[in-house]
Amino acid sequence: SQQGEEDPQALSIQEGENATMNCSYKTSINNLQWYRQNSGRGLVHLILIRSNEREKHSGRLRVTLDTSKKSSSLLITASRAADTASYFCATLRGDSNYQLIWGAGTKLIIKP
Amino acid sequence: DTAVSQTPKYLVTQMGNDKSIKCEQNLGHDTMYWYKQDSKKFLKIMFSYNNKELIINETVPNRFSPKSPDKAHLNLHINSLELGDSAVYFCASSQDGILGGEKLFFGSGTQLSVL
Repeated sequence: SQQGEEDPQALSIQEGENATMNCSYKTSINNLQWYRQNSGRGLVHLILIRSNEREKHSGRLRVTLDTSKKSSSLLITASRAADTASYFCATLRGDSNYQLIWGAGTKLIIKP
Repeated sequence: DTAVSQTPKYLVTQMGNDKSIKCEQNLGHDTMYWYKQDSKKFLKIMFSYNNKELIINETVPNRFSPKSPDKAHLNLHINSLELGDSAVYFCASSQDGILGGEKLFFGSGTQLSVL
């Protein structure tokens, strides 16, 4: 069953602006991961944040995790046309069912 | 060199046929996976193998049979293809398996169209 739900489903912004995507989940987690999928390609891992972490950075990416609200956000600063892609969150459940559960993704379009 | 490679990239076939998708990883990872991505972009795990042994087998029809000849290869054979099998199938691998919570490396996908 789908646990992660990304919000919004689609986002269109101007190049140079910041893009924020959210992910909500239902059960306790071990970690939460963000992936990018360019059109017609496989998914590429961006960042992993563990349940005891609140914020992580990687280049222009900033991920936050709020376990009390069961939500995470991915911020892409100074967006570029090359950031156009679908972004997925995946949660590793914290119970005995060690499976990655995926959301349906946010489609991000960066307008030049 | 491509880390996770799967072939073919496109597969168009008639209902009732049998087809295979091959996957190879050169990362030295212990665990490999097959995922199905439907038209709404939902990703659903189908199978997971760790060192050639099946560790996750989700509820998929028996027509789908994975085979892992060694830990670098995980092939997917599909019998009696149905229209509903049309989707993109992704192979992936990870270092220590999902139990370690490691990140996944994905292949570029096989778009299967059943006519």
